[in-house]
Amino acid sequence: DTAVSQTPKYLVTQMGNDKSIKCEQNLGHDTMYWYKQDSKKFLKIMFSYNNKELIINETVPNRFSPKSPDKAHLNLHINSLELGDSAVYFCASSQDVASGGIGNEQFFGPGTRLTVL
Amino acid sequence: AQKITQTQPGMFVQEKEAVTLDCTYDTSDPSYGLFWYKQPSSGEMIFLIYQGSYDQQNATEGRYSLNFQKARKSANLVISASQLGDSAMYFCAMRDYTGNQFYFGTGTSLTVIP
Repeated sequence: DTAVSQTPKYLVTQMGNDKSIKCEQNLGHDTMYWYKQDSKKFLKIMFSYNNKELIINETVPNRFSPKSPDKAHLNLHINSLELGDSAVYFCASSQDVASGGIGNEQFFGPGTRLTVL
Repeated sequence: AQKITQTQPGMFVQEKEAVTLDCTYDTSDPSYGLFWYKQPSSGEMIFLIYQGSYDQQNATEGRYSLNFQKARKSANLVISASQLGDSAMYFCAMRDYTGNQFYFGTGTSLTVIP
């Protein structure tokens, strides 16, 4: 069973389009994250949700909007895609410190490679 | 401010040799966690090892060990008996006292030479 799944794995689209990436975790974790990894492999946090509430919202364009319908899902919607949005997007989840302690690692999804043409 | 610093963009090691990947961190909180992840060319992020700030012993997991020097704020990853399959990007990360955010370093690309 996949712990953290993302769909799609690959996404090729034209500039100006709107697209969504879905993420689901079956680990019962409280906290979910979105990261962007650029071509230099830098991993940048974008958003974090804890029990469906937004807790981290780094400086990302407001074209990016996360949505958490329940604590097992955190989807990422991107409006008006730009060339610079091309990257690999990772979803991750972890147990909350309060319930699991600080030592619980993040589990990552397989990544979604977004290419904007 | 950079919380995690990995100063080695690329490293090479001979197969079967040991290699140390450097990581320094910055925090004034007494409670934190340090993690290492491996990212092979296939792209997935694989958790390797964890060290808690209060742990007295250095963490070990198979061929991976963490050289934790609290006073120096360093958490270097040591890979013993390197294998070709160890060629990958390695990321050091820290979880802060709130537990909600993980701070990642810029990564070190390790190449194992046969």
